[in-house]
Amino acid sequence: ETGVTQSPTHLIKTRGQQVTLRCSSQSGHNTVSWYQQALGQGPQFIFQYYREEENGRGNFPPRFSGLQFPNYSSELNVNALELDDSALYLCASSLVGVRTGELFFGEGSRLTVL
Amino acid sequence: AQSVTQLGSHVSVSEGALVLLRCNYSSSVPPYLFWYVQYPNQGLQLLLKYTSAATLVKGINGFEAEFKKSETSFHLTKPSAHMSDAAEYFCAVSEHDKIIFGKGTRLHILP
Repeated sequence: ETGVTQSPTHLIKTRGQQVTLRCSSQSGHNTVSWYQQALGQGPQFIFQYYREEENGRGNFPPRFSGLQFPNYSSELNVNALELDDSALYLCASSLVGVRTGELFFGEGSRLTVL
Repeated sequence: AQSVTQLGSHVSVSEGALVLLRCNYSSSVPPYLFWYVQYPNQGLQLLLKYTSAATLVKGINGFEAEFKKSETSFHLTKPSAHMSDAAEYFCAVSEHDKIIFGKGTRLHILP
């Protein structure tokens, strides 16, 4: 059974640029959620995808968008990058009904915005 | 909205001593609660979860947590700390199919 993998592991961007982060779900998991973890903070929920549709969103602006593909892999896109977007971005996969289940996390993509 | 509060952003214990990490939740109905651990440069890993069955929940690596409704608490304990327990620990609560995390407590183990 393969775990959750994310790419790239580290990247540096400048203000105003766009970034795409990628995530491959754990085998058999059909739900993917994305979290932003700023330095010294807990993960903050960005959004969640189930069967290629967004089915939950946290308090993030529309310039944060995502996709889920038929193989359940996912992308997080961030447009017009701001300095405060610098963070570790975590992808987590789960079976549907995360409420009582558990999330399986990747190791994250660390984004630095200069 | 649900939330969790973790008391103490840093906790230091000696190797072999009791580990106690505190978490309080805000909920008017019995929530589902979780503890996750994050080792350096790694993603989060589930330690244990409470889903309204037994109030004392046992997890991996010798950790356990007790759900106390009267105190709205879900504190994490381990009888004897090991150097490998040094990590960041997050308490979390579920809300509408998403999980909300606390700010975390970094556990330091002193030799």
